[in-house]
Amino acid sequence: QSALTQPASVSGSPGQSITISCTGTNRDIGNFNLVSWYQHRPGKAPKLIIYKVTERPSGISDRFSGSQSGSTASLTISGLQAEDEADYFCCAYAGNSASLWVFGGGTKLTVL
Amino acid sequence: EMELVESGGGLVQPGGSLRLSCTASGYTFSDSGMTWVRQTPGKGLEWLSGISGSGGSVYYADSVEGRLSVSRDNSKNIVYLQMNSLRAEDTAIYYCVKGEDFTVTSTFDLWGRGTLVSVSS
Repeated sequence: QSALTQPASVSGSPGQSITISCTGTNRDIGNFNLVSWYQHRPGKAPKLIIYKVTERPSGISDRFSGSQSGSTASLTISGLQAEDEADYFCCAYAGNSASLWVFGGGTKLTVL
Repeated sequence: EMELVESGGGLVQPGGSLRLSCTASGYTFSDSGMTWVRQTPGKGLEWLSGISGSGGSVYYADSVEGRLSVSRDNSKNIVYLQMNSLRAEDTAIYYCVKGEDFTVTSTFDLWGRGTLVSVSS
């Protein structure tokens, strides 16, 4: 059981938008501005797509966006493309002695 | 191009030890803190340990403290994870991760592909 809660799967058709939620607590997501999102394709290294809740690294499409409300962060992918099909997971700084960082369980995105 | 490549995984008996290595390339290694994360089917992704760019600060998850030791050799661009007293529940894919700056409290901006550790008799 992961510290951050994500839906196990989401799906959408090409061109549509989807949103993946990541729910934590006021000790992690709700306490620090350090939430990031990663795209993970099988056999590949996870790839950073959103950091510090809303920031996009250089080279990442503006179809990917992040937001936060309280202790829940969200990743939105607009204009879905077949290449977006992958696993997505969130990560947040927790800053406590048990674990500095916590992760979501991952969400499998299927592009129909 | 920046890259992290893990090595050293494999099959080990319960109670045994293993040392994982992660070789970095494409950036100034000592400028970045490094982290080890593992992924299991049951618990998902779990932060294990972090080490600052200089190696002067190290941190461990409570769940593994005492059995894991992280170190780095900035002259070789390698970070290590020494794992002792291994248990079946340590079976996982182990990832090496680069931090955005020299601390262990910055965004993870580069991951390796992982190395599989299997603990079984």
